[in-house]
Formats: sequence, structure tokens, C-alpha cells
Amino acid sequence: KNQVEQSPQSLIILEGKNCTLQCNYTVSPFSNLRWYKQDTGRGPVSLTIMTFSENTKSNGRYTATLDADTKQSSLHITASQLSDSASYICVVSAIRGSQGNLIFGKGTKLSVKP
Amino acid sequence: DADVTQTPRNRITKTGKRIMLECSQTKGHDRMYWYRQDPGLGLQLIYYSFDVKDINKGEISDGYSVSRQAQAKFSLSLESAIPNQTALYFCATSDSGLSNEQFFGPGTRLTVL
Repeated sequence: KNQVEQSPQSLIILEGKNCTLQCNYTVSPFSNLRWYKQDTGRGPVSLTIMTFSENTKSNGRYTATLDADTKQSSLHITASQLSDSASYICVVSAIRGSQGNLIFGKGTKLSVKP
Repeated sequence: DADVTQTPRNRITKTGKRIMLECSQTKGHDRMYWYRQDPGLGLQLIYYSFDVKDINKGEISDGYSVSRQAQAKFSLSLESAIPNQTALYFCATSDSGLSNEQFFGPGTRLTVL
């Protein structure tokens, strides 16, 4: 069964600190993995996409990694800011014929405190 | 102007009432989706449409129906609302490539009393 598991479920850190969010998946055949940021009460917004051949990708203070062998991804946030408080959702796309099939994780809720 | 809009943004209704949530997009995407989000459960796919003549059930379609009136419009109906349909509802769009980035609307908070 295709599944995406995220950890931790929630996380509280102090402003300026770094943190790492984890995503493990059992999705096959794998197409790509995306990290979304969802601010409270708003729709998710894509942060980065990782394909099979990519190990690391950065978007400002966000760095995503992918280990396709162990089927794990992480999202590292550097020098956190209050505006980073949000839920971070890992979404894995499986190839199904000519279409993609998205499997959503339940998200990690990050709270950045001053 | 927002690329994906949803109306209404908030709605309170009573059990048994019919309600329609509407979604419009200006991104020119063929694919549109409806999700519901409950605390701690993440996003769950209700229905999706790959073009105007294509409608597909998602994981939790029971109690819901949809209509794709045009490429840019996709509406979700609750024929007889019940309290456990209280949730945050999101519309999303994507292009037809396998990159599958989804662009989400701002959400509709629905409360069924």
C-alpha cells in the first residue's frame, strides 16, 4: 500500500534555531516528492520538488534531501523565523500509467517561538 | 487577483441542507481537485477531474457530488449535509504533466450543525 509517514507530528523551536522534518514513504513506482508549506487557514504552497535523481535541493532557508534507496526525505529549515510557523506536508507522486497519483502525508506542525 | 478562488470562504449550515462550494481558476489548468482537511488527518481527496468531460471519485466521495461546468470551474455539492462533514475544504488545480504541482485555493471552512 502506498503510504507517506511524516515525523514529528509537531515541533516547537525557538526563533533562529534550525530544525529538520522527516518524510518516509512506501510509494511505487516513484515519480517525485514535493514539500508543501501550509499556513494556518490557507491552502498549501509548494516549496520544492525532488525527483529520483536529485539528492538535495535548496529554496532559500529550506533544504530538501531525498534518499531514493531508503525512501526517505527531509526538509531542513535554517535560522528559523516566526513566519516559518506552519504545517509542512510531504506529498509523493506515484506513476500510474500516464497519470500521476498523489499520496499525502499528514504533515508536521511547526511552531517557532520568539 | 488570486489564481484559484473559492466561494464561500466560510459557511455554517444545518443538518440535511444542500450546499454547494464553488471553485474557479485562472491558471488555464485542465486538472481540478477537491480535498477536505480535518485536524490530524491531512488532506483527503474527494473528487478530481482531468478535463471537462472527466470526473473521478477520490478516497472519500460518499456524500459528495461534483460538477465541472467549464475548464475553469469545478463545484462540490453536499446533497444532505451531516455534522461529520464539518471540515476545511480545498480546491486545487494542476497541469497535465507528471510534475503534478498543485495550486490550492484559500479554502472554505464548512460547519454543519
